[in-house]
Amino acid sequence: DIQMTQSPSTLSASVGDRVTITCRASQSISSWLAWYQQKPGKAPKLLIYKASSLESGVPSSFSGSGSGTEFTLTITSLQPDDFATYYCQQCDSYPYTFGQGTKLEIK
Amino acid sequence: QVQLQESGPGLVKPSGTLSLTCVVSGGSISSSNWWTWVRQPPGKGLEWIGEIYHSGSTNYNPSLKSRVTISVDKSKNQFSLKLSSVTAADTAVYYCARGEEYSSSSWVYWGQGTLVTVSS
Repeated sequence: DIQMTQSPSTLSASVGDRVTITCRASQSISSWLAWYQQKPGKAPKLLIYKASSLESGVPSSFSGSGSGTEFTLTITSLQPDDFATYYCQQCDSYPYTFGQGTKLEIK
Repeated sequence: QVQLQESGPGLVKPSGTLSLTCVVSGGSISSSNWWTWVRQPPGKGLEWIGEIYHSGSTNYNPSLKSRVTISVDKSKNQFSLKLSSVTAADTAVYYCARGEEYSSSSWVYWGQGTLVTVSS
């Protein structure tokens, strides 16, 4: 299985900050990476697919980059609604696997 | 707009079989998409369980493969999950999901999730 490792596990930030979350794959996955946002009691919401493509309706303050084994999710100018848990997911090969999550907290 | 709705018992006894159904509305189960199950134990991360195509082709997570069956019912526009020989470790919120052609195997549409507790 491809292991996905996110860092940090927890991130404290303030409204208006720029934050970056990193996801590393245990082997190359080309650009087959997605990012999700999840709020308590809710299903995950797709933000980014194919490493850098923004899902329809997602604010342009979200962006993804990377290829191979290292990827980043960047949120510019954090808004109150952005405080949530974020997961990366590889869709390069079976079984599809997720990172352990990064909880973005209000400082 | 595609909508997914999971249903099934919220409590299953240890060694029993967990059975869930995902009803699809706003789209056809026969569309060119894979239909997916994902689970999340309370307070933990996400785990891909498996997927099915309308033809009946399936892919399963090897960690669960010996216990999992995913099936599709075109007449009811739904697909189902069965997980046998459950233990407390199978307690989780179970989600059904589907992607779009452009999103490949990342999932645009999700059900709201259903909590299944394994307990006697």
